[in-house]
Order: sequence, then C-alpha cells, then structure tokens
Amino acid sequence: GAGVSQSPSNKVTEKGKDVELRCDPISGHTALYWYRQRLGQGLEFLIYFQGNSAPDKSGLPSDRFSAERTGESVSTLTIQRTQQEDSAVYLCASSLRGANSPLHFGNGTRLTVT
Amino acid sequence: AQTVTQSQPEMSVQEAETVTLSCTYDTSESDYYLFWYKQPPSRQMILVIRQEAYKQQNATENRFSVNFQKAAKSFSLKISDSQLGDAAMYFCAYINNAGNMLTFGGGTRLMVKP
Repeated sequence: GAGVSQSPSNKVTEKGKDVELRCDPISGHTALYWYRQRLGQGLEFLIYFQGNSAPDKSGLPSDRFSAERTGESVSTLTIQRTQQEDSAVYLCASSLRGANSPLHFGNGTRLTVT
Repeated sequence: AQTVTQSQPEMSVQEAETVTLSCTYDTSESDYYLFWYKQPPSRQMILVIRQEAYKQQNATENRFSVNFQKAAKSFSLKISDSQLGDAAMYFCAYINNAGNMLTFGGGTRLMVKP
C-alpha cells in the first residue's frame, strides 16, 4: 500500500479482555514507532523498533503491554487484561531509517474499553 | 530526558490573518530535528514542516514558516493567510540524531474563524 495501515480502525472490548492491534508500515521502512493518544492529549511514546535491533520498550506503561515486529514488516501491539484507562487512540508511524527521514503515520486504532 | 512544551492549549485566528504557535524543548544534544505536525479530526498526522538543528536558516513551506531559536530552545510555527482548512490540532515534536527518541508536545488546538 501507499501508506502506513493500521487495523482495526476501531475496537470496543470489555474490561479484562486481551486485544491485538496491527500496524503495516510502508515497505522498506526500518523504523517503527507506537504511540498512545488519550482524548484531547498529546502523543505518548510506547515502543520503537529499528531494523533487527532490540526494541526500545521504555514507554510501555505496564507489563500488560507488549509489542512484536518480525524483521522490517508488520508489528502487533498487544494489551492484556484491558482496563478502562487503556481507552485511547493507538498510532503507529514508520520511517525509512530514523531521525532524518520523514515519519509516516497511520490513521490509528481507537480502542474503547467498557 | 527530552521534553517538548506547548504552552497554548488553544489558539484562534481570523481567516486570512497570521497566527503563531509556540513550542519550547529541552535537550542536552546538539544535533536533532524538530517538526510540526497537524492532526485534523480524521486522526491522520500530517507533517507540516521540519527543521534540522544544524541549519541556522528557518524552514519555510508555503504559508508555514518557523522561528527556530536554538540557544533559547524555541521553535514556533507561523501560519500566514490562515485558511479554514488549517483548523486542527498542531503538535511540535523533537527527535534526536539517532532517531530513537521522538517526543511530542501536548498540542495546540487551532480554530479558524470565517
């Protein structure tokens, strides 16, 4: 595809259930970021992947959050035992090789935990 | 840790007028990049303008320009001839040279009055 694709675009889940969010970066982009955006707020860094290097997980808020990326392709963000405070838009971005390359964002997944 | 601060939660401008959005940041690094992103209600993050810290010349993209003051760690966005389509959330962002630290400010909501 031409841009970063995220699925699903919207997800409603019950408290306590697990959810999996998917990000398809632009082909060839080695850097991939996940961000969380609560309603009316800024973007909160979650995790960063660069090529085959170990990911920077310093932004993950708890051990209920995890993310994987296979090589330089699809990434999945998993939230276990969801809580109401997990409700937010989860944004994914990718870039060709990091700082001096433009970042391309997906449209995000809006997660609502009831 | 790097921090990015946007002190104006909301701004309003009359159509065709000029508005300036403020951004300050904190870093100990000398090489980095600064960005302004626009986020309309569609949630898509759109790159507005980009500035390399090693360049003294302020970046310009059509009606958008920045005032980059490296010593003061200030990076404001000026929008000239404001249009209704400029109404959105605007986020200032910083990335270090290694590309593994992309930090966003809290955002400024810009309203454009016809």
